[in-house]
Amino acid sequence: KAGVTQTPRYLIKTRGQQVTLSCSPISGHRSVSWYQQTPGQGLQFLFEYFSETQRNKGNFPGRFSGRQFSNSRSEMNVSTLELGDSALYLCASSLTGGPNTGELFFGEGSRLTVL
Amino acid sequence: ILNVEQSPQSLHVQEGDSTNFTCSFPSSNFYALHWYRWETAKSPEALFVMTLNGDEKKKGRISATLNTKEGYSYLYIKGSQPEDSATYLCAFSGDYKLSFGAGTTVTVRA
Repeated sequence: KAGVTQTPRYLIKTRGQQVTLSCSPISGHRSVSWYQQTPGQGLQFLFEYFSETQRNKGNFPGRFSGRQFSNSRSEMNVSTLELGDSALYLCASSLTGGPNTGELFFGEGSRLTVL
Repeated sequence: ILNVEQSPQSLHVQEGDSTNFTCSFPSSNFYALHWYRWETAKSPEALFVMTLNGDEKKKGRISATLNTKEGYSYLYIKGSQPEDSATYLCAFSGDYKLSFGAGTTVTVRA
C-alpha cells in the first residue's frame, strides 16, 4: 500500500513568488491535513480537508491557502513568499474522522527555501 | 492558541534503563491525544491515539496513559534501546485541528 506522497520534495523560490505543493493521500484516506515546521517553532497546523471541504484552519495569514480535489489529493499554495516561509511542509492523511479519531500518516515533506 | 507542553525538552538515557515524559494539554474541547515518534530524516510515525479518559495503550516496550480531566498524558519507554532515540511528539486534537507540543528528544546511550 503506497504511503503519502508529497511533491516536490525540495524547492527554492525567491521572495514575492508563489508556490504550490501537492499531497496524494493513502488510498481510501479522505482527510488531509497540512503542517509547517520551522526551527524553534515545532509543527504548526495549517489546515485540514475532508471531502473537498476545509474543516479547520490554523493561525496563518491569508497568503496560505489550500484545496482538496474529489480524489482526495490536496494542494497548498503560498503566495507572495517571505523569507519566514522557509520551512518543511508536511502533509498527513487519515480516515474519515481525521485527527479527532485516528492516527495521521505523514508524507516525507516538501522543503521550501525562500531566498 | 492551544498550549500543548512537553517536558522535559530532552533527556539522555542509558541503554536498558526505563524512562518517561509528560505531555500537558487543555482539558476542554478534547477529542483525542496523539503520540508520534519522529526520527531524524524520516516522517513522524504514529505511536498511539487515545480518546477516552483513563486510556492506556501499549506497543512493545512503549506505553502511554491519558488523563483528560487534568489534561496530561505520560509516555513510558521500558528498557530503552538505541533505536528508541528520536523526538517524541504529543498532539492535542480539538475539532479537526491538531496542536503539537515541541517534543521530547530522547537519546539512548549504549
